[in-house]
Amino acid sequence: DTVLTQSPALAVSPGERVTISCRASESVSTGMHWYQQKPGQQPKLLIYGASNLESGVPARFSGSGSGTDFTLTIDPVEADDTATYFCQQSWNDPTFGGGTKLELK
Amino acid sequence: EVQLVESGGGLVQPGRSLKLSCAASGFTFSNYYMAWVRQAPKKGLEWVATISTSGSRTYYPDSVKGRFTISRDNAKSSLYLQMNSLKSEDTATYYCARQGTTGHFDYWGQGVMVTVSS
Repeated sequence: DTVLTQSPALAVSPGERVTISCRASESVSTGMHWYQQKPGQQPKLLIYGASNLESGVPARFSGSGSGTDFTLTIDPVEADDTATYFCQQSWNDPTFGGGTKLELK
Repeated sequence: EVQLVESGGGLVQPGRSLKLSCAASGFTFSNYYMAWVRQAPKKGLEWVATISTSGSRTYYPDSVKGRFTISRDNAKSSLYLQMNSLKSEDTATYYCARQGTTGHFDYWGQGVMVTVSS
C-alpha cells in the first residue's frame, strides 16, 4: 500500500497563509487529491490531480506537488477553514493520509 | 444537484451480515465509477470498494476482500455494499462516493453508521 504521511495538527491566525503537507511512500505522479472534513460532516473535495481546484471551492485554496511531496495551501485562512484536511492518492489502490487538524488561534 | 443517500446501517453482531444501500440522484449514475469509503470513530478514511460503470469490474483492499461485495443497479441509480463475516474493526461510518476520472471522490453521501458488537 502507498502510505501517505501528514503532520497531525497546525494552528494559525486568520489572515495568515498555511501550508499542509503530504508525503507519499512512493511516487504517485500527480494522482493526489485533497479533502476538507468538518466535525459531523462528510469529506468535501477541494483539489484533484494535485493542483486542480474543484468547482465551487474558493480560490484561497491551492495545491501543488508531484511524485512524493504535495502541498495544500490556504491563503488567506478564514475562521470557517477550521477542519481536518486529508490527502488521498489514486496512482495505486486509493489510500488516505491520517489527516491534519487545522485550528485557528 | 448531486445527492447520495445511504441507508441500511445499524448494530450487528460479529460474524453476521449487513447490506448497505446508496440512492443516487442529480447525475447520470451509469456514467460513473462508484465507491464506498469508511471512517472508524475518530479515525481517518479508508477506501473499501470501487465498482465500474457497468458493474463488471470491482476492486477491494485486502482488509475486506472476500467478505465485502460491491454491486450496483443502474436502472435504479443505486449502489450496494454486502458485508459478510463482520468484525469489530469494521465498525465505522460508511460513505457512498462518486469517483472521478482521476480517481478522486468528488461527491459523498452523509454517511451511515455500522457498529459491530456483541
